[in-house]
Amino acid sequence: SQQGEEDPQALSIQEGENATMNCSYKTSINNLQWYRQNSGRGLVHLILIRSNEREKHSGRLRVTLDTSKKSSSLLITASRAADTASYFCAGGGGSEKLVFGKGTKLTVNP
Amino acid sequence: EAGVAQSPRYKIIEKRQSVAFWCNPISGHATLYWYQQILGQGPKLLIQFQNNGVVDDSQLPKDRFSAERLKGVDSTLKIQPAKLEDSAVYLCASSLGQWGAIANTGELFFGEGSRLTVL
Repeated sequence: SQQGEEDPQALSIQEGENATMNCSYKTSINNLQWYRQNSGRGLVHLILIRSNEREKHSGRLRVTLDTSKKSSSLLITASRAADTASYFCAGGGGSEKLVFGKGTKLTVNP
Repeated sequence: EAGVAQSPRYKIIEKRQSVAFWCNPISGHATLYWYQQILGQGPKLLIQFQNNGVVDDSQLPKDRFSAERLKGVDSTLKIQPAKLEDSAVYLCASSLGQWGAIANTGELFFGEGSRLTVL
């Protein structure tokens, strides 16, 4: 299975600062996905990066993928209090199921 | 477009009782997933359906958990009898999938979840 492992487990920053979260995985993937989960809610898909892509942007989100190191990073620029949530990564593709790690809990202080 | 619907949102039961959760995926989504999320952890896949066939149920505790997806649309997840360690949020998700594909590689759409407390 393509389990993602996020790092750090918890991150606390001030509004306006950038937040960087990292993800590592163990086997080959076709794509790497990032999800956000607000407290008490379901997961929401943020961005998908394919294995042949190195970087992808979506609004204030920037995702990088290094397949040689089996790692990915999610950067949230100019963070807002509303970005407070847990963030999960998961690798997908082929016959492997999508498996989530424990997530990074981000707190953005106003 | 309507999202993934789940019910009930909250359920409190005594251990050894039974409970059932219902999920209605996004219309046209072939693949449906049930995840269990214990407090402070990431979601753990219990079962994955492709239309009305089971693709993966390797982590489903089959002695007490069962799931079905009749007609390839709605799904129910049942726990009988419940244990204290079953206290968790049960998340349903769906994705477009492809007919005949083993696994879907695209975006998952999650419902709000059903929070189960076993006393």
